[in-house]
Amino acid sequence: GQNIDQPTEMTATEGAIVQINCTYQTSGFNGLFWYQQHAGEAPTFLSYNVLDGLEEKGRFSSFLSRSKGYSYLLLKELQMKDSASYLCAVNPSWGKLQFGAGTQVVVTP
Amino acid sequence: NAGVTQTPKFRILKIGQSMTLQCTQDMNHNYMYWYRQDPGMGLKLIYYSVGAGITDKGEVPNGYNVSRSTTEDFPLRLELAAPSQTSVYFCASSYQESSYEQYFGPGTRLTVT
Repeated sequence: GQNIDQPTEMTATEGAIVQINCTYQTSGFNGLFWYQQHAGEAPTFLSYNVLDGLEEKGRFSSFLSRSKGYSYLLLKELQMKDSASYLCAVNPSWGKLQFGAGTQVVVTP
Repeated sequence: NAGVTQTPKFRILKIGQSMTLQCTQDMNHNYMYWYRQDPGMGLKLIYYSVGAGITDKGEVPNGYNVSRSTTEDFPLRLELAAPSQTSVYFCASSYQESSYEQYFGPGTRLTVT
């Protein structure tokens, strides 16, 4: 079956670094997405990985290891506005994204 | 560009009632999707469409119907509302599938009592 696992909640201090892990077992793989979702709002795109390695975008980086079925999202220099849910989503085929339950990141002063 | 718009924002239905959730995008995207998100859960795909006249089932299609008569519009129909359909519904679109990010609408919060 399809399974995407990520921690339920993480807490970190403003200015710190947080790493959100995502492990997946899916019947196919055409890439992995990370989305950010603030409470009561729609998800917004953060990153996409299809090849192994690290993709860096400003304060956010995403890593993928296809052989291990593993990805992480790294948030650096945390700001209060980064408090949100972070969704890992795998594309097993034809755009049918499979989402994890999301990791709630709480940034404290 | 307005992006992806959804109406209504909120709705309360009685069990057995029907309604249509509207979704429109102005980005000329071929692919459109309907998701539902239950509290503390990730999004689950209900239906998707790869172009006008073409729709297919996602992970949780039971109790829903869709149509795609134009590129811009992708309405979701609930025929006999049940309490299990209480959820937040998101419509999304993308230029193509696979590597292209999906753009989400603001969501419709539906309660069935």
